[in-house]
Amino acid sequence: DTAVSQTPKYLVTQMGNDKSIKCEQNLGHDTMYWYKQDSKKFLKIMFSYNNKELIINETVPNRFSPKSPDKAHLNLHINSLELGDSAVYFCASSPTNTEAFFGQGTRLTVV
Amino acid sequence: RKEVEQDPGPFNVPEGATVAFNCTYSNSASQSFFWYRQDCRKEPKLLMSVYSSGNEDGRFTAQLNRASQYISLLIRDSKLSDSATYLCVVLTDKLIFGTGTRLQVFP
Repeated sequence: DTAVSQTPKYLVTQMGNDKSIKCEQNLGHDTMYWYKQDSKKFLKIMFSYNNKELIINETVPNRFSPKSPDKAHLNLHINSLELGDSAVYFCASSPTNTEAFFGQGTRLTVV
Repeated sequence: RKEVEQDPGPFNVPEGATVAFNCTYSNSASQSFFWYRQDCRKEPKLLMSVYSSGNEDGRFTAQLNRASQYISLLIRDSKLSDSATYLCVVLTDKLIFGTGTRLQVFP
């Protein structure tokens, strides 16, 4: 019954690798997001999709590429991982222009 | 100036105390306002929405002052289980999170 689910929960990988994080929501929401929470706990938006279309793309390196095959899914692919990419990545969804519901987070550690 | 600013704390209070958190936002066109709670190593969860008329949910009261661009959260009769980080959130064209205020309630 998980409303917003993301996998994997933990990801440890070496610098230079490419990895993906998957996110799915079963709430019927039109909007999905990716947020990054760094070691200082600051939660910063990366991307926002509405009905599979990209509507917000913050200043994020182009090594990060979101993909939304349908409005219930928003995956995040990261190329050439760097040490500074280590963080917790949260997927979220919302009905348009209202509060968001978050997945459990993916703790990414780049070594 | 940050879009959403909060005192990071920590606020260390005894059980039963009343504690208040404040938040200011910079964009006067902001549409909606929320308080989220985040426990250690968990995802943020919606605590309550904030309305211009003020709203209350049990021991929690939220207030919004649009003229001063200021939001507050009051917790009465603090419980140990209230220990968490409280995030002020503002909706403009996207949800913008404050850095959070950490609350630690001790016995």
